[in-house]
Amino acid sequence: DTAVSQTPKYLVTQMGNDKSIKCEQNLGHDTMYWYKQDSKKFLKIMFSYNNKELIINETVPNRFSPKSPDKAHLNLHINSLELGDSAVYFCASSQDGLAGVRYNEQFFGPGTRLTVL
Amino acid sequence: SQELEQSPQSLIVQEGKNLTINCTSSKTLYGLYWYKQKYGEGLIFLMMLQKGGEEKSHEKITAKLDEKKQQSSLHITASQPSHAGIYLCGADVTGGGNKLTFGTGTQLKVEL
Repeated sequence: DTAVSQTPKYLVTQMGNDKSIKCEQNLGHDTMYWYKQDSKKFLKIMFSYNNKELIINETVPNRFSPKSPDKAHLNLHINSLELGDSAVYFCASSQDGLAGVRYNEQFFGPGTRLTVL
Repeated sequence: SQELEQSPQSLIVQEGKNLTINCTSSKTLYGLYWYKQKYGEGLIFLMMLQKGGEEKSHEKITAKLDEKKQQSSLHITASQPSHAGIYLCGADVTGGGNKLTFGTGTQLKVEL
């Protein structure tokens, strides 16, 4: 069973469209993340949710809106897509709050390659 | 400039050779992670270091965090084609816990 899964794997769309990427983790983790990896392979955090609550919200355009219906899912909705949104988007999850353990491995999904034409 | 700089940016080595990748920051590195990424795939966790001077090994890969916790190195001994990929260091540079800042990545190719 895949630990962190994302759909779709590839997404090709026109400028101005609205699209969503879904993420699910079956690890029972409390925290989920969205990262963006640009063409130079630079990976940057966008959002993080802990138990359905937004805890990290980096400087990301308002067109990007994460939604966490439950702690196993974190979806990313993008409005009015722009050329610069083309990138690979990674979802990740981690188990936090373990007694005495501050840093825990983040498990990454396979990524969604978004191409905006 | 990036908060985490990796060097070299890319590396081509012959199979069997040793190599080292560095990850450097001007800030303290709390919870330093090394990941490997193959083309078209997600990130695979390699190792995590927390304490200054800490060193961990897994198979032929060794990672160290310096005493000042501002630099980490990843060393691969007797490289194999399976080691090829992009190596990324990620760290908490704020001390807050969850938020990871990633380095610029090192692309490794291993030639037969």
